[in-house]
Amino acid sequence: AQTVTQSQPEMSVQEAETVTLSCTYDTSENNYYLFWYKQPPSRQMILVIRQEAYKQQNATENRFSVNFQKAAKSFSLKISDSQLGDTAMYFCAYGGSQGNLIFGKGTKLSVKP
Amino acid sequence: NAGVMQNPRHLVRRRGQEARLRCSPMKGHSHVYWYRQLPEEGLKFMVYLQKENIIDESGMPKERFSAEFPKEGPSILRIQQVVRGDSAAYFCASSRALGTGELFFGEGSRLTVL
Repeated sequence: AQTVTQSQPEMSVQEAETVTLSCTYDTSENNYYLFWYKQPPSRQMILVIRQEAYKQQNATENRFSVNFQKAAKSFSLKISDSQLGDTAMYFCAYGGSQGNLIFGKGTKLSVKP
Repeated sequence: NAGVMQNPRHLVRRRGQEARLRCSPMKGHSHVYWYRQLPEEGLKFMVYLQKENIIDESGMPKERFSAEFPKEGPSILRIQQVVRGDSAAYFCASSRALGTGELFFGEGSRLTVL
């Protein structure tokens, strides 16, 4: 069975600084997707970034980028120029052949002014 | 282009009552997923449905919980004889087809059992 591990329950960063959130996963599949979702206090699940496992190039979305290391089964999220609105829970998720997503337990990020 | 619609957003029930949560997937999406989020935890998969079929219910509690996605109308997650431990946020997500990767989430339904 696939698993997703987020080892940082909480993190904080100063506004305008850079922060990296860690995620590791375990799978025997070769083709899959990885995601980072953001859940602000409103509790809406918002897709931040997505990575297809067959792509070697790391995905980027404006201030958000990932470091995808397939062999190490690592998928970290880097947030550059952190903004107060980035304060939220961040969930790493794995999507494989079964269709549903498997989520980590989340990292609570606080951006401090 | 409406997203995934869930209702009610908030539902309060007393122990022993029934809770029904509804989810309308995005237009063109035929795959629906239900997740439960307990306070301070991540989302746990419950069930995956296509129209008129349950594909994977490995995350559903064996008793009191059921789900359906009829040919017409929204998907329904039904919890019978609710207990305080059922208090949680229930999220619905949809996708166009299996293997497309991304799931689109609704805003969730928060169930409180008194």
